[in-house]
Amino acid sequence: QSVLTQPPSVSGAPGQRVTISCTGSSSNIGAGYDVHWYQQLPGTAPKLLIYGNTNRPSGVPDRFSGSKSGTSASLAITGLQAEDEADYYCQSYDNSLSAVVFGGGTKLTVL
Amino acid sequence: EVQLVESGGGLVQPGGSLRLSCAASGFTFSSYWMTWVRQPPGKGLEWVTNVNQDGSEKYYVDSVKGRFTISRDTANNSLYLQMNSLRVEDTAVYYCARLAHITARPSDYWGQGTLVTVSS
Repeated sequence: QSVLTQPPSVSGAPGQRVTISCTGSSSNIGAGYDVHWYQQLPGTAPKLLIYGNTNRPSGVPDRFSGSKSGTSASLAITGLQAEDEADYYCQSYDNSLSAVVFGGGTKLTVL
Repeated sequence: EVQLVESGGGLVQPGGSLRLSCAASGFTFSSYWMTWVRQPPGKGLEWVTNVNQDGSEKYYVDSVKGRFTISRDTANNSLYLQMNSLRVEDTAVYYCARLAHITARPSDYWGQGTLVTVSS
């Protein structure tokens, strides 16, 4: 059971928009800790996708965006492409556990 | 080009020990926090441990405290994870990653991972 809750799966057709939620609590996201997002393509290492809630590293397309409100964060992907099919993870810090925490991951399927 | 290359994984019996290494290149290793993250087969990511630039600060997830030790060798640009008293539930791909010079330190570069299998 992950401290940060993500939907196990989401799907969308090419060109559509999908969102992935990351729900935490008052000891992590709600306490003001930043949320980062990672993309893990099949058989590869994770890749940083969004950092500090809303920021994209150089090279990440602007089709990917992040937001945060209260005890939750979201990753939005617009103009879905087949290459976006991957697992997505949110990450934050939890002060009651004194630990870095990840969400359980969301598998994105492009129909 | 930033590169992180893990090694040292393998099959070990429960209660055994293993030492993972991570060779870093393409950046000033001594200037960055580093981390180990693991991923059990078919499951999600789990943070294991962080170490600061000079090795004076180390943090661990509760499940490995007292069993795992993170260390670094600046002269050899290497990060290590000494794993003792291994359990079946420690079976995972272990990734080393660099923590960026950004607030909340996201992991901006990752190695390809090394598989540790704990089984009798």
